[in-house]
Amino acid sequence: DTGVSQNPRHKITKRGQNVTFRCDPISEHNRLYWYRQTLGQGPEFLTYFQNEAQLEKSRLLSDRFSAERPKGSFSTLEIQRTEQGDSAMYLCASSRPSGANVLTFGAGSRLTVL
Amino acid sequence: GEDVEQSLFLSVREGDSSVINCTYTDSSSTYLYWYKQEPGAGLQLLTYIFSNMDMKQDQRLTVLLNKKDKHLSLRIADTQTGDSAIYFCAERPLSGGYNKLIFGAGTRLAVHP
Repeated sequence: DTGVSQNPRHKITKRGQNVTFRCDPISEHNRLYWYRQTLGQGPEFLTYFQNEAQLEKSRLLSDRFSAERPKGSFSTLEIQRTEQGDSAMYLCASSRPSGANVLTFGAGSRLTVL
Repeated sequence: GEDVEQSLFLSVREGDSSVINCTYTDSSSTYLYWYKQEPGAGLQLLTYIFSNMDMKQDQRLTVLLNKKDKHLSLRIADTQTGDSAIYFCAERPLSGGYNKLIFGAGTRLAVHP
């Protein structure tokens, strides 16, 4: 069990560019989540996958954001035409079906849009 | 609606107990969680409590749940400098299909000698 891995850890980009983040969950976890955390705030839910199916998307996920989990293992979160307001920490978490559905978080990918 | 509130800051002396409070709004929440975040790191689960319990103890951590008032607290006994971090309370409401956690803004705990 190597935990949840996220890459890159930090991305600096210019406004208008596209960025992609990758998340590798714990191997036996079939649920995968993306959250966004801005400075001084708690994580906000973005989207959730069960295996390869994207089951829920937040209103926060505008049409510039797209997430995939093509084979039910790793996931990518792409942001197109980045804006300064997209600057945040993007957190990935995974879990397996259980009563408590405990989420295990990765260290996050910090995005800075100049 | 979904809203979790926490006080933003707590300062305690090393060796004292810390009590971090949280209120949540969705009485349908089945589980409530406490996570810890250290600088530059992701969130680490500390403990969780099922909604039909009043109290849960895990080593130095005690969680109290008052379901009637929708109030959750985390007590850390014998607080150490290594406990300095941001602590997040989270609920898991029916309105989210029990699929997502709703987090508070976090309480920054500062432990001083």
